[in-house]
This record gives sequence, C-alpha cells and structure tokens, in this order.
Amino acid sequence: EVQLVESGGGLVQPGRALRLSCTASGFTFGDYAMSWFRQAPGKGLEWVGFIRSKVYGETTEYAASVEGRFTISRDDSKSIAYLQMNSLKTEDTAVYYCTRDRPSPMYDSSGYYFDYYYYMDVWGKGTTVTVSS
Amino acid sequence: QSVLTQPPSVSGAPGQRVTISCTGSSSNIGAGYDVHWYQQLPGTAPKLLIYGNSNRPSGVPDRFSGSKSGTSASLAISGLQAEDEADYYCQSYDSRLSGSVFGGGTKLTVL
Repeated sequence: EVQLVESGGGLVQPGRALRLSCTASGFTFGDYAMSWFRQAPGKGLEWVGFIRSKVYGETTEYAASVEGRFTISRDDSKSIAYLQMNSLKTEDTAVYYCTRDRPSPMYDSSGYYFDYYYYMDVWGKGTTVTVSS
Repeated sequence: QSVLTQPPSVSGAPGQRVTISCTGSSSNIGAGYDVHWYQQLPGTAPKLLIYGNSNRPSGVPDRFSGSKSGTSASLAISGLQAEDEADYYCQSYDSRLSGSVFGGGTKLTVL
C-alpha cells in the first residue's frame, strides 16, 4: 500500500525551529518529487515547497511566505522527506501535509511538450504544528 | 486572494447533480495548463479526485467528472450522496507566477 506518514509536529515557541519528517512506503521513493503543504485552522490549502528527485538534481522551490526560513531535503536511502522550519512565526501554525508528486506536462501553442509542473497523487494524514508562546 | 477562483460554497440534495467552477485567466487555465481537483472530507487529508482535467484515479466513482473550457474548469458530481460533503480544491499552473496555483476551495453541503 502506498503510504506517507508525517511526524515531528508539536508545540513550539516563536523564533524556534522544528523538523518534520515524511516517511514513505509502498513505492520507489527516489523516483518521485515530494511536496509539503499546510493548512491553517479553518483555512484552505497552502503550498509550502517541493523537492525534485535525484535525477532532477534534488532541486527545491518554496513559497514566498517560507523562503529563507524553511528547507526541504530528502534521504532516498530511508525513503524520508524532511521539512526543516526555522524562525517559526505564529502564522506558521497549521497542519502540515507531505505529498507524492506526479508530473503534469505543459505544451506550447503548437502542441509540443516543453516542461512540466506537479500535481499531488498521494497525501499523508498530516502533522500539527502549533507556534505559540 | 487565490489565483484560481472557486465559489465558497455549493449545495444540493441527495441524487442531484452539482458543479463547482474554477475560474482562472490567460496565464493559467486559459494558457492550456491542465487542471486537477482534490477532495478533502471533514477532518481528513486531501485526496486526488481528478487529474489532467478529466481523468479519475483508480477508486474514484464515475459520478465525479471534470472538464475544462477556455479560462475555466468545472467539477461535476452527479447522484449526490451524503458522503460527498467535503471541501473541493482546483489546481493548475500559472506562467506569470511560474508555479502551481490553487483555488480557495469550495464547501459542498448535501442537504
């Protein structure tokens, strides 16, 4: 069974750090890009960032709201993706989800493939992060 | 303010058909980028419902269908059931922002 399990959430004071883990099973973890999302209480989904697979250089991209504070990494030997969160703010309080990503091809006006972006085909159950003094 | 606009809420009686719209612009849906839909049941994680505009992952009932036209996309749910009560989100890509964009979500209430 394909599964993602997040862990590491909890209560943390503003300005402190926290590292979340996303442990994957049931598929070849190294073949996939992985994303992190969050959802503040009563709010919609917010994309946090993603990391590409090793084949694509394990490059990362982040939302502007977390750029410079959050870092995504991966350990393919352990099938784990990480979200290192530094300088936490109260507005980072949310449920954090990790996802397995699939490429969604993009075509130019002539119908030729030129790039891709990702959609999320598997979601973990989430872990709660509360930032409060 | 989400780049993709969804109605905050829709409702329907059991057995009815409802549609949820996802309105974008020429830099996202109108540029030809695919639209994907997610369902989030109360208290649970989101789940992929429709990918590539109109494709259903294995296990998703054929009561759910997706379509795209111009700068908008739609999710249709026919034969509405109580268990369909959930939040629904659309996703696409925006060339001006150079990244994925999401709708703000639509809460479906089954009357």
